[in-house]
Amino acid sequence: QVQLQQSGAELVKPGSSVKISCKASGYTFTSYDMHWIKQQPGNGLEWIGWIYPGNGNTKYNQKFNGKATLTADKSSSTAYMQLSSLTSEDSAVYFCAREDLKYWGQGVMVTVSS
Amino acid sequence: DIQMTQSPSSLPASLGERVTISCRASQGISNNLNWYQQKPDGTIKPLIYYTSNLQSGVPSRFSGSGSGTDYSLTISSLEPEDFAMYYCQQDASFPPTFGGGTKLELK
Repeated sequence: QVQLQQSGAELVKPGSSVKISCKASGYTFTSYDMHWIKQQPGNGLEWIGWIYPGNGNTKYNQKFNGKATLTADKSSSTAYMQLSSLTSEDSAVYFCAREDLKYWGQGVMVTVSS
Repeated sequence: DIQMTQSPSSLPASLGERVTISCRASQGISNNLNWYQQKPDGTIKPLIYYTSNLQSGVPSRFSGSGSGTDYSLTISSLEPEDFAMYYCQQDASFPPTFGGGTKLELK
């Protein structure tokens, strides 16, 4: 069955970077975009962007240009998102979801605090 | 970006009750409207795609309708597991955007 297993919670300092992962199984990783979505505490959901692991092509919500960098490792069927220059506004839960949005990861909580 | 406005933001309801959640887009989205359920543990489950199509495994008490800018999700008879957050989402134009959510609560 299709599964998206995300990495564990992160506590990071302001100004630093963090890289979170999303390991896919149960389907051909290179055949579907992987989407990333942000959910701030008590707030709704925001689309960050997506990556097509087959060729590495990416598309970003303009709001996250320069903040998020999406990559994928075909050998391990894992998608990654790196968030840079972290501030308190980046404290959120981050989800990965397969292109058809039928399958979502469990979410990763990133807390930015000194 | 297309703005999605959901109402109500909170909906107290009883078991067995029929409820409807509304979602309005800031411009026409040609039925490119999806619904999701989020449980208290954070798990997100897709319910409906393209306005009215149930995802596999979703109970038939869920239904969706709408056109143009106005859409709705109806649950015909509430079960205990239905009390959760619900979000609409448009994918008519990039970036995809979500509504602010509706919290369906036990009255």
